[in-house]
Amino acid sequence: DQQVKQNSPSLSVQEGRISILNCDYTNSMFDYFLWYKKYPAEGPTFLISISSIKDKNEDGRFTVFLNKSAKHLSLHIVPSQPGDSAVYFCAASRASNTGKLIFGQGTTLQVKP
Amino acid sequence: DSGVTQTPKHLITATGQRVTLRCSPRSGDLSVYWYQQSLDQGLQFLIQYYNGEERAKGNILERFSAQQFPDLHSELNLSSLELGDSALYFCASSSSSYNEQFFGPGTRLTVL
Repeated sequence: DQQVKQNSPSLSVQEGRISILNCDYTNSMFDYFLWYKKYPAEGPTFLISISSIKDKNEDGRFTVFLNKSAKHLSLHIVPSQPGDSAVYFCAASRASNTGKLIFGQGTTLQVKP
Repeated sequence: DSGVTQTPKHLITATGQRVTLRCSPRSGDLSVYWYQQSLDQGLQFLIQYYNGEERAKGNILERFSAQQFPDLHSELNLSSLELGDSALYFCASSSSSYNEQFFGPGTRLTVL
């Protein structure tokens, strides 16, 4: 049972445009959501997070939106840059519990110059 | 640099053997998490330690065990290795469950 799903394995966008990565979850007990970026042969790098009490969090070019009723979150990258090309994982946790992360399968983003 | 260190970076061993992976968390972080990333698999949570005590267990095989020492570094022990144990093993640390986890560079284990 996959509790966190990223239904798009890959996404390709033009440099300067917006990248939108999507993530769905099934467990309503999740209260903390995160996005990580990963390059091959490296560990995931934390990008941005959002608590379930918020519906939006912004950090520079990165914005995460949370729609609890739809159990959906998205990551917007504006403007996209070629250096953003990587695999993006969304993750969810019950911070009120142990905080262990449940990851989606990842979306490979390619930003074309 | 996340501040989390893992050794070794690569490990090649044979089936039936035992290996130990080591992780040093970021300074001040009490929680250590272990994750496994197999081919075509996402990151799977294995086990969590908080200040020396086991806090949570995920899909960790009985052949695998872990511990966290008084200096807060952690070790993941994998025994009776099988071909299917070949994977990337990541360690992450955090200051609390309400904060982001920072990941180490991983240990790539190859079982031949």
